[in-house]
Amino acid sequence: QVQLVQSGAEVKKSGSSVKVSCRASGGTFSIFEVTWVRQAPGHGLEWMGEIIPVFGTPKYAQKFQDRLKITTDELTSTVYLELSNLTSEDTAIYYCARCFGSQSRTNWFLPWGQGTLVTVSS
Amino acid sequence: SSELTQDPTVSVALGQTVRITCQGKSLTRSFASWYQQKPGQAPILVFYGENKRPSGIPERFSGSASGDTSSLTITGTQAEDEAEYHCSSRDTTYTRWLFGGGTRLTVL
Repeated sequence: QVQLVQSGAEVKKSGSSVKVSCRASGGTFSIFEVTWVRQAPGHGLEWMGEIIPVFGTPKYAQKFQDRLKITTDELTSTVYLELSNLTSEDTAIYYCARCFGSQSRTNWFLPWGQGTLVTVSS
Repeated sequence: SSELTQDPTVSVALGQTVRITCQGKSLTRSFASWYQQKPGQAPILVFYGENKRPSGIPERFSGSASGDTSSLTITGTQAEDEAEYHCSSRDTTYTRWLFGGGTRLTVL
């Protein structure tokens, strides 16, 4: 059974960058499709981007296109999210999730990581 | 505003049936997936596709779809079902993931 374990909470200054990791255990990592979703305090879920390690080419939501980088390390079965030029509006819980069926009518996320709180202060 | 629309709050009496809806153009090409999220916890998948329930999810959770609207129905709602429910789907071009704004379910 696949599990996703994320790195711990981060506190960052405005203008800096943060890198969050998501390590997978179980399953064949290279064919996973992994997505990143964030949730600001009191708000809903927001899709940020995704990657399939074997292809290596990430896709980003337009909102984050110029400051988001999603990468993978197949040796450690880890996906990374790096967000730069942070502002207080980036304060949120960041989740990774494995996604299925992204090119079909039936699609879903399972499992989710436990979440990583990123706090941005001025 | 979100491309998937959910009612912000819904309430239901203990033991009764409740329907949570999700509306959007993308749902004419994708089934919605539904996630339950309790305070301080990550979302968990409770229903997806035309009629799929993940292992371990009670049978009282079911889903349906009609046109641009998908619904999650909880039959015989329990106190532990009180949570935020999020819908999601792929967009119409299958290039982005969409989420609804979430529905907070209160069990009275």
